[in-house]
Amino acid sequence: EDQVTQSPEALRLQEGESSSLNCSYTVSGLRGLFWYRQDPGKGPEFLFTLYSAGEEKEKERLKATLTKKESFLHITAPKPEDSATYLCAVQASGSSNTGKLIFGQGTTLQVKP
Amino acid sequence: DAGVTQSPTHLIKTRGQHVTLRCSPISGHKSVSWYQQVLGQGPQFIFQYYEKEERGRGNFPDRFSARQFPNYSSELNVNALLLGDSALYLCASSFGTLAGNTIYFGEGSWLTVV
Repeated sequence: EDQVTQSPEALRLQEGESSSLNCSYTVSGLRGLFWYRQDPGKGPEFLFTLYSAGEEKEKERLKATLTKKESFLHITAPKPEDSATYLCAVQASGSSNTGKLIFGQGTTLQVKP
Repeated sequence: DAGVTQSPTHLIKTRGQHVTLRCSPISGHKSVSWYQQVLGQGPQFIFQYYEKEERGRGNFPDRFSARQFPNYSSELNVNALLLGDSALYLCASSFGTLAGNTIYFGEGSWLTVV
């Protein structure tokens, strides 16, 4: 069964304290791995898509990496405005021609000034 | 350009009632998907439509149905509402269904069943 697990569930950082969020996945075949940011009461905001092991993408203080079993979202020198829930999702090749995303439960990040 | 738009943003319904949620995809996008997000969990896939045809269905009861219109907008219908249907319902759009298509979400419709 296709599955996504994120850790930790919650993370508290001081402003400027770098860290990483983990997304472990088990899928029949990976079509893509997505990272989203979700603020309270809002819809998920697209951050990155990764397609193959070894791929990396960056946006401001965020950098996403991908291996055959997991993805990391590295946050460098975070600011309070980076506080949000970060969602990881996979699109499996076993889903035929659907675009179905399988989400993890999310990591809630709080950055204190 | 407008993103994915959903309506209504908030609504309260009574058990046993019916609800219709609406979604307009990003201009040019032909695929619309619906997700249910219960508080504290990740979104769960309900349906996907592409070119007005159902392309995928998640593990939800038959009380849930959807359709896509010629202008690619979509409706999600839920009959015989239960308390457990209280959630944030998210609509997502993409150009197509293949890998490489970025999937964008709307702000969601908050449904409370009392």
